[in-house]
Amino acid sequence: AQSVAQPEDQVNVAEGNPLTVKCTYSVSGNPYLFWYVQYPNRGLQFLLKYITGDNLVKGSYGFEAEFNKSQTSFHLKKPSALVSDSALYFCAVSPPTDSWGKLQFGAGTQVVVTP
Amino acid sequence: ETGVTQTPRHLVMGMTNKKSLKCEQHLGHNAMYWYKQSAKKPLELMFVYSLEERVENNSVPSRFSPECPNSSHLFLHLHTLQPEDSALYLCASSQDALLSGNTIYFGEGSWLTVV
Repeated sequence: AQSVAQPEDQVNVAEGNPLTVKCTYSVSGNPYLFWYVQYPNRGLQFLLKYITGDNLVKGSYGFEAEFNKSQTSFHLKKPSALVSDSALYFCAVSPPTDSWGKLQFGAGTQVVVTP
Repeated sequence: ETGVTQTPRHLVMGMTNKKSLKCEQHLGHNAMYWYKQSAKKPLELMFVYSLEERVENNSVPSRFSPECPNSSHLFLHLHTLQPEDSALYLCASSQDALLSGNTIYFGEGSWLTVV
């Protein structure tokens, strides 16, 4: 069975400081990994995904994520956080086969960026 | 503009009512999904449609009835719901449900309150 864990319910960071949102996963085989962001009263927006290749993936709004197979992690990072980055962030995993394109989501991490 | 449009954005219904949620995707995708997002719970996949054929029914009660008349439209018919069904219902689409690693794009969601 596949699963994804986001160990932090909330991350607080000052504007201009680096932002990291943690994600670990458990899946058989090589996973497909995704990050989504949800602003208040909105749907989920796709940020980035890892399929194969370079372990560092760059996405929208200056975000990037690093795939670490040995640690089964896919942490989301941004070098300099903005107040407008305050939102709910979801990590998701899809197994390489027989998934019907389904995503297994983590519980989400609330990011609060203070001025 | 996400390319996936959901109506209505907000719906309040009684437990004996019949209502429907509508979703339309303008991305030329072949797969469509219904997800449920409740407070304090991870996103739950409800249904998957590939080329208008239902390929996944994730143990959803029969009071939720999906309909996919064509690859661009998806409905969720609601009948005799319970207050615990109050949630944000998210429609999504992807290029091909058979292909793992496809990015899933979400609509803005329909907030449902059952009274």
